[in-house]
Amino acid sequence: NAGVTQTPKFQVLKTGQSMTLQCAQDMNHEYMSWYRQDPGMGLRLIHYSVGAGITDQGEVPNGYNVSRSTTEDFPLRLLSAAPSQTSVYFCASRTPLYGYTFGSGTRLTVV
Amino acid sequence: GDSVTQMEGPVTLSEEAFLTINCTYTATGYPSLFWYVQYPGEGLQLLLKATKADDKGSNKGFEATYRKETTSFHLEKGSVQVSDSAVYFCALSDEWGTGTASKLTFGTGTRLQVTL
Repeated sequence: NAGVTQTPKFQVLKTGQSMTLQCAQDMNHEYMSWYRQDPGMGLRLIHYSVGAGITDQGEVPNGYNVSRSTTEDFPLRLLSAAPSQTSVYFCASRTPLYGYTFGSGTRLTVV
Repeated sequence: GDSVTQMEGPVTLSEEAFLTINCTYTATGYPSLFWYVQYPGEGLQLLLKATKADDKGSNKGFEATYRKETTSFHLEKGSVQVSDSAVYFCALSDEWGTGTASKLTFGTGTRLQVTL
């Protein structure tokens, strides 16, 4: 099993550009989520999904969109990147029995 | 809302020293508690967890006890190694199996540096 796979690992964007961070899991987990990690702030929840076709906002959703068309994929879209979105982004999936599995992260810099 | 407070880092220890990283929480209901570890350039890995009061989670020589009376979940290890150098996150999650979407609330992380 690959677990949770995130692409790309690194990305530099100019202010106003758009991009999609990819997340895929092969564990058939219903629950998936996106977090951002910033120095001194831990990880904060952006959006989450409890299954295909169902998404909801987390703690810091502004500037991000998500969709969940399949169980495996949960992409995160930045429609118009801003310097405040410079961060490390983690995707995670979960089962009640085994808990959370995190991807290795995407380091995004917006200039 | 739920919150997690953990001690500021960095924590610098010599190899074989005793480690304590403090973590306290605020939550309604009966949360599950976790410690995650992040090695440089990697994602988060679950280190240990406890799902009810007085449970002790343990893994790789690390231990933490769920203390409801003091709302704490302090991480301890009797003898640290250089390979333990990493960032440690305390986190809580609302109760499993409620049918509602569960989410993790993280502390800010504590960086541990172990030297020879």
